[in-house]
Amino acid sequence: QQQVKQSPQSLIVQKGGISIINCAYENTAFDYFPWYQQFPGKGPALLIAIRPDVSEKKEGRFTISFNKSAKQFSLHIMDSQPGDSATYFCAASMTGTASKLTFGTGTRLQVTL
Amino acid sequence: NAGVMQNPRHLVRRRGQEARLRCSPMKGHSHVYWYRQLPEEGLKFMVYLQKENIIDESGMPKERFSAEFPKEGPSILRIQQVVRGDSAAYFCASSRDHSAGELFFGEGSRLTVL
Repeated sequence: QQQVKQSPQSLIVQKGGISIINCAYENTAFDYFPWYQQFPGKGPALLIAIRPDVSEKKEGRFTISFNKSAKQFSLHIMDSQPGDSATYFCAASMTGTASKLTFGTGTRLQVTL
Repeated sequence: NAGVMQNPRHLVRRRGQEARLRCSPMKGHSHVYWYRQLPEEGLKFMVYLQKENIIDESGMPKERFSAEFPKEGPSILRIQQVVRGDSAAYFCASSRDHSAGELFFGEGSRLTVL
């Protein structure tokens, strides 16, 4: 019941295109949904996060869309750039233990010129 | 550097040896977490500690693994009698507030067991 499923496993997008990564969760007690970005050899870094009281959150070129009834959330990267090439992880956690995250398996994004 | 500091960055051990991984949290952070990342997989929660206390160790293997966060000094993840399946990247993270959600990760310690 703690699983977070992430897709696709890998993604190739042309520069300027839109990158879309999807996640689905099972545990309805989850109420905090962050996305982390990880470059090779580095630790994950928080990119953007959402709570279920809103259906969308935008920060610059990054947008999280959240569908509570479907138990799904997605990351959209607009105007994708080569510097966005990294592995992206969705995650979920519960109120009171928001820092104890359940991670998806990651999406390796490559943005080509 | 005010970030989460982990060392060693790379560690090679033979089967049966001990591995000790260290983590200094960000300044002002009293909550420390250890996560393990196996190749081509996401991060898995292992343990959550505050100074001198293990708060949640629900993700720790029952045997050979232990963690501590002493009053003075870094948090330590200890793996005794390592096996090949322990080969992974071990990430430490810290936060100011356990309920806030934002974790700051170190660059990880990559353990290879020969």
